This record gives sequence, structure tokens and C-alpha cells, in this order.
Amino acid sequence: DAGVIQSPRHEVTEMGQEVTLRCKPISGHDYLFWYRQTMMRGLELLIYFNNNVPIDDSGMPEDRFSAKMPNASFSTLKIQPSEPRDSAVYFCASRKQVIGELFFGEGSRLTVL
Amino acid sequence: KNQVEQSPQSLIILEGKNCTLQCNYTVSPFSNLRWYKQDTGRGPVSLTIMTFSENTKSNGRYTATLDADTKQSSLHITASQLSDSASYICVVSAGSGTASKLTFGTGTRLQVTL
Repeated sequence: DAGVIQSPRHEVTEMGQEVTLRCKPISGHDYLFWYRQTMMRGLELLIYFNNNVPIDDSGMPEDRFSAKMPNASFSTLKIQPSEPRDSAVYFCASRKQVIGELFFGEGSRLTVL
Repeated sequence: KNQVEQSPQSLIILEGKNCTLQCNYTVSPFSNLRWYKQDTGRGPVSLTIMTFSENTKSNGRYTATLDADTKQSSLHITASQLSDSASYICVVSAGSGTASKLTFGTGTRLQVTL
């Protein structure tokens, strides 16, 4: 298996623009997670899905953030409009069971100017 | 509030030396504890997972310990190599089933030099 695949790996955009991050989880994994990582706060859970259904979105910072999972093999995290404070590395992760090992993608580094 | 604190924040050691990273947690109810290695520009990769009943677990030159009474864990790296340079993240799982939640430490950044 290729692992969790994220795109783009790097994104530089201007404040106010829409940003869409994409994730393909490992086939057969029922849980998908979106995390944000910064130097100051480390890894923070934004939202997670189980069988394509959002379960906990309490970590989504504000209405500018939205996430979807239209099918078992694809998820998006969208920021609209983007702000400089959104600059971070965004990780997607998936796991097969509710307490199974978490597999991370390589991350999408977002810079908002 | 569930918290995971790691120390030191950063560490520089010479190649071949040993080192120990610390993780203290206040997470309840405790389910398991994982150590992840994150290379620069990459995603975290699991090194070990420990449950309540496990005191020690090894993965090659990495040995993790867990003291559930004092709520402390350590990751010991033996005979360090340049490739060990990375951030090491302690992650504690609370609860079980669909209520399981992960609390992440902010990591220890290790640099191994010649």
C-alpha cells in the first residue's frame, strides 16, 4: 500500500484566497483524521471521520475551515478565506480500527502571505 | 484537562552516545501511550505502543518504559546514529471505543552530530 497520500505538499497563497488540501487514506481504513502542526502548539486534531461521516469537528478553529469526505478514498480540508495565522503543516492520518495504529501522510505545508 | 509534557524540548548528542527522552502525562482514563518519530519534513511514524500493563518495550535501539503509577514514560535511544535526528512525539490515548481521544506532546527535537 502507498500509505496516506496528501496533496499538495507545499502551498503558498495570499491572504483571502481559498485553499484546498487533499487526502487519500489507506485502503480499508475506516477512520480519517485531519491535524494541524505548528511549532508552538504541536499537533492538534481538527476533525475526524468514521466511515465518511464527521464524528468530531470541535477542533476546527472557525467557520473558515471546512472538511468533507465524499467517499472512503478521498477527503478535503478547505480554508476560505485564508489568513496568515493559518500557516502550518496540515497532516491527514488514517487507521483501521478505533484504537488501531495511526498512519500519517507526509503533510501539506501551507504558507499564507 | 488532559495534558502531555515532554522534556527536554531539544537535545544535541554525539553519534554513538545514548540519550533518554521524558514524557509526563495527566490523561484519564489512560488507554495506551505511543512514541512517534518525525523526520524533518515528513509525517510522524509510530515507534512503540504501550498499554497499562506493559513496563518496557523495545524496537531495535529504541526502548520505551512506562510507569502508570507516576504517569511517566521514557524513550531511551542506544548508540545513537545520525539518522536518529528527528522530533520524538509522545501521544497518550484516553478512553476506549469511539470515545478514544489522543493527546499529543509538543515533542523533543533530537540532533545527533559527529
